Amino acid sequence: DIQMTQSPSSLSASVGDRVTITCQASQDISNYLNWYQQKPGKAPKLLIYDASNLETGVPSRFSGSGSGTDFTFTISSLQPEDIATYYCQQYDNLPSWTFGQGTKVEIK
Amino acid sequence: EVQLVQSGAEVKKPGESLKISCKGSGYSFTSYWIGWVRQMPGKGLEWMGIIYPGDSDTRYSPSFQGQVTISADKSISTAYLQWSSLKASDTAMYYCARQRAVAAVDAFDIWGQGTMVTVSS
Repeated sequence: DIQMTQSPSSLSASVGDRVTITCQASQDISNYLNWYQQKPGKAPKLLIYDASNLETGVPSRFSGSGSGTDFTFTISSLQPEDIATYYCQQYDNLPSWTFGQGTKVEIK
Repeated sequence: EVQLVQSGAEVKKPGESLKISCKGSGYSFTSYWIGWVRQMPGKGLEWMGIIYPGDSDTRYSPSFQGQVTISADKSISTAYLQWSSLKASDTAMYYCARQRAVAAVDAFDIWGQGTMVTVSS
């Protein structure tokens, strides 16, 4: 199985800060990686697909990059409404898709 | 509006069977893969499996193979997740979610609201 190592597990930042989350795959997954946002008590929401494509309607302060085994998710200017847990998800090898462990983002 | 509406919360005893549902609307139900995701209390997301309602092609995560059954009834645009014998460890929120692209697999773009399953004696 492909393992996804997401870090950090949590972070605290100020409004306006740049926030970066990384996800490392245990083997090459090309660009088969998505990023989701989950707010407390809500279903996840797709933000980025295919490593770097912004889902329709998602603010441009969210971005993704990377390919192969190393991926990065960035919030360019953290807003109060961005408080959530963020997950990466690889889909290289159906049916062995996996999610990262999640990163909880809080406001300092 | 494209949406997935899941059945309501369930409270069951160990050993009981259960089938929860996920009804799609606002799009061609048979043209998009639908998957199921588990979230245990206070934990992360776990991918369980996926079905293509058009031909009922179903794939399971190795972690869930043999533990659950995924099915779909295209006549009523509904996907299902079922257990034959629940365990306390099945207590979790279960989400259904639709794949983004027609007849392809990549990302889950539409999610149901979740069904909370509680298994307790």
